[in-house]
Amino acid sequence: QLQLQESGPGLVKPSETLSLTCTVSGGSISSSSYYWGWIRQPPGKGLEWIGSIYYSGSTYYNPSLKSRVTISVDTSKNQFSLKLSSVTAADTAVYYCAREAVGATTFDYWGQGTLVTVSS
Amino acid sequence: QSALTQPASVSGSPGQSITISCTGTSSDVGGYNYVSWYQQHPGKAPKLMIYEVSNRPSGVPDRFSGSKSGNTASLTISGLQAEDEADYYCSSYTSSSTVVFGGGTKLTVL
Repeated sequence: QLQLQESGPGLVKPSETLSLTCTVSGGSISSSSYYWGWIRQPPGKGLEWIGSIYYSGSTYYNPSLKSRVTISVDTSKNQFSLKLSSVTAADTAVYYCAREAVGATTFDYWGQGTLVTVSS
Repeated sequence: QSALTQPASVSGSPGQSITISCTGTSSDVGGYNYVSWYQQHPGKAPKLMIYEVSNRPSGVPDRFSGSKSGNTASLTISGLQAEDEADYYCSSYTSSSTVVFGGGTKLTVL
C-alpha cells in the first residue's frame, strides 16, 4: 500500500524559508504514471494547490506562488521536497503531499499532512 | 487563477439525495474532463471520491456519482448516510496547465 509522509519544521519565522520533505513508501517515485504534488490548507479554509513535480524533475506551479516556490525530487531516496521562501503569517497552513495521476490532475494518495506555523 | 465556486453548505436527511455544484469557466471545468471530487473529515487528509468527472476509485460506494454540464460539475450523493457528513472539494485542470480547487462545501446530515 502506497504511503506518503511529510516531515519538516512545524514553526518557521517570518521572512524565512519553509522546507518540507515527503517520503514515499510502498511504491516508486520514478513511476512514469504519476506526478507528485504539494497542497496546503490554512486553518479553517479550503485547499490550495502549490505545485507538482515529475520524477524527471519537470515541475509546474500555482502562478500565485510561483515566485516563491521550488519543488525538487530525489529519486534515490524516493522523496520530493518543497521550499517556500519569504514566508508570512498567511503561509500558516497544513501542508499535504500527494500522488497525482499524469493527465488527470487527480490526487489519489495523500499524506496525513503537517501543520506549519509562521510566527516569530 | 480563481477558485472554483461551490456552495458553502448543503444539508440533507439520512436516505435522501443531495447535489453539490462546482462552477468554473471554459478554461477549466468546461474545457476539460478532468474534474475531481474529494471528501475531507475534520482533522483528516482529503480522500478522492470521483475523478475525470464521473469515475469512482475502487472502494468508493456507488452512492457517489459525478457529472458535468457546461462550466458546472456536480457531485451527487444518494442514500445519504451519517458518515457522509464532511467537507467536499472539487478540483479541475486548467488551460494554464495548473490545478485549481473549489472553495469547499460543508455537508450536514440532519
